[in-house]
Amino acid sequence: EVQLVASGGGLVQPGGSLRLSCVASGFSFSTYAINWVRQAPGKGLEWLSFINRGSDTIYYGDSAKGRFTISRDNAKNTVYLQMNSLRVDDTAVYYCARELGLGISYLDYWGQGTLVTVSS
Amino acid sequence: EIVLTQSPEFQSVTAKEKVTITCRASQSIDGSLHWYQQKPDQSPKLLIKYGSQSFSGVPSRFSGSGAGTDFTLTINSLEAEDAATYYCHQSTSLPHTFGQGTKLEIK
Repeated sequence: EVQLVASGGGLVQPGGSLRLSCVASGFSFSTYAINWVRQAPGKGLEWLSFINRGSDTIYYGDSAKGRFTISRDNAKNTVYLQMNSLRVDDTAVYYCARELGLGISYLDYWGQGTLVTVSS
Repeated sequence: EIVLTQSPEFQSVTAKEKVTITCRASQSIDGSLHWYQQKPDQSPKLLIKYGSQSFSGVPSRFSGSGAGTDFTLTINSLEAEDAATYYCHQSTSLPHTFGQGTKLEIK
């Protein structure tokens, strides 16, 4: 069974940092790309970032550029999202989602999400 | 950035009805348009990929169609478990974008 488990969310003050993790199981992790997508409370989905299987192709959406860094460790079946300079409007559930590979495909399995709350 | 506009944003329907949700793109998409279902407090689930291809395990009452800038998700013979919010998603160009969602309520 394909599983993606996101963790690392929590309450952080504006300007603070958090590192989210997404641990994969049930498939050959090193052959798939991973995306991060977030959803603010009561709002729609916003794509944030993509990393391919070899970490040599990385993309960011405007909300993530310059503040967030995506990385992966294929030995640990894990993708990370390092989030710095957090703002109140970064408050959201953050999902990791699997993609076939090139950044131009569908997201076939999603993790359960981890809630990030940015507040003083 | 490609903007996706869904309509309607909310629909209240009865079981066994047929529902059609549309997704219009601000520019032509090469078919890389996908549909997801999200139930309350759950993560999104893929229903349809590349406009019309059903994802594994998705009930046959869900179907997709369209090309260019106009795409449609159809749910035939609606069931109570289909109460959810539905999103379209384009992966033709970066950044990936999603429609604003269509909330389906079952009367």
